[in-house]
Amino acid sequence: ILNVEQSPQSLHVQEGDSTNFTCSFPSSNFYALHWYRWETAKSPEALFVMTLNGDEKKKGRISATLNTKEGYSYLYIKGSQPEDSATYLCAPTYYGGSQGNLIFGKGTKLSVKP
Amino acid sequence: NAGVTQTPKFRVLKTGQSMTLLCAQDMNHEYMYWYRQDPGMGLRLIHYSVGEGTTAKGEVPDGYNVSRLKKQNFLLGLESAAPSQTSVYFCASSLSPFNYGYTFGSGTRLTVV
Repeated sequence: ILNVEQSPQSLHVQEGDSTNFTCSFPSSNFYALHWYRWETAKSPEALFVMTLNGDEKKKGRISATLNTKEGYSYLYIKGSQPEDSATYLCAPTYYGGSQGNLIFGKGTKLSVKP
Repeated sequence: NAGVTQTPKFRVLKTGQSMTLLCAQDMNHEYMYWYRQDPGMGLRLIHYSVGEGTTAKGEVPDGYNVSRLKKQNFLLGLESAAPSQTSVYFCASSLSPFNYGYTFGSGTRLTVV
């Protein structure tokens, strides 16, 4: 079973702060990295899919970068708002026998205080 | 467009009882998945299907069975429920997991007493 690490496990910031968190994953046979946003009592929603080394994606105040050679991705939130409070999951997918199944990390839980 | 629909949303079972969770998607997706979510454990894959009539085991398949008789439906069965199966179950579907990721259902909260 491949190990996907996300850090920190949880994060508390004030409204307006910018923040970032990390996803580390095995780089061998890597195909793509997915980020999801998961609000409490809801289901995960897709944010980004990234495949190329050096890829950068942006959606409003949220952006992500990807390093496929060393196996990590950063998620950045600029000027955090209370509505950004959620758990952020990363999930790589690989070539080979797993048939493309996403392998989820345990997530980083972000709480933004007004 | 309903997306992915899970039924039921909540259920309480007694140990030893059986039940089936239904997942239905209207997006013509080939791939479908069942996950369980437990505190501190993240999402763990139970079973998945890459097309109608196919199923495969995931990370934690013991105690569960699945069927995909129709492309739009993926059923998860518990033959003899155990307290260790108390969890929140999520179904997901995908056009292609490599490039498109998953669309998730809203979850089923199952308690086994």
